[in-house]
Amino acid sequence: QQQVKQSPQSLIVQKGGISIINCAYENTAFDYFPWYQQFPGKGPALLIAIRPDVSEKKEGRFTISFNKSAKQFSLHIMDSQPGDSATYFCAASQAGTALIFGKGTTLSVSS
Amino acid sequence: KAGVTQTPRYLIKTRGQQVTLSCSPISGHRSVSWYQQTPGQGLQFLFEYFSETQRNKGNFPGRFSGRQFSNSRSEMNVSTLELGDSALYLCASSLGQGSGYTFGSGTRLTVV
Repeated sequence: QQQVKQSPQSLIVQKGGISIINCAYENTAFDYFPWYQQFPGKGPALLIAIRPDVSEKKEGRFTISFNKSAKQFSLHIMDSQPGDSATYFCAASQAGTALIFGKGTTLSVSS
Repeated sequence: KAGVTQTPRYLIKTRGQQVTLSCSPISGHRSVSWYQQTPGQGLQFLFEYFSETQRNKGNFPGRFSGRQFSNSRSEMNVSTLELGDSALYLCASSLGQGSGYTFGSGTRLTVV
């Protein structure tokens, strides 16, 4: 049973465009929703995270939008750059339990 | 500040053998989690240790085991290796519940 569903599987965006990756979860007890960025040969790196009492969080060009009623959250990358080309994972966890990851989205930003 | 260190980076083992992977967390981090990453299944949780005690366990067979030492360093052991165990094994550390996880670069295990 996949508890966190991520889409799309892959994404191609032009330089300067907006990249949008979506995730949906099932467990309403989840209370922590991070996004990770992974480059080839490296482990995932925490990008930004949100808790369900906030509907949006912005850090630089990265924004998480959170819709508690729809059980969905998304990552927006503004002014996408070639250096943003990587695999992005959404995740969710409940206090005291492990992170459950989505399947990942491979982002390619063309110059 | 040193990050999460995993050794070795690459490993090739024969089916039926056993393997031990090592993880040194960020100084001060007492929680260590292990994940298996494969192209087909993505990132799957193996187990989590906090202050030398296993706090959570994923849905993996008993061939997968781990432990944590008093200095928070952790080891993961896989016995009777199968071809399907070929994967990137990632270790992540955190201060504790509710804190963000920092991942190491992983150990790439190939079973032949």
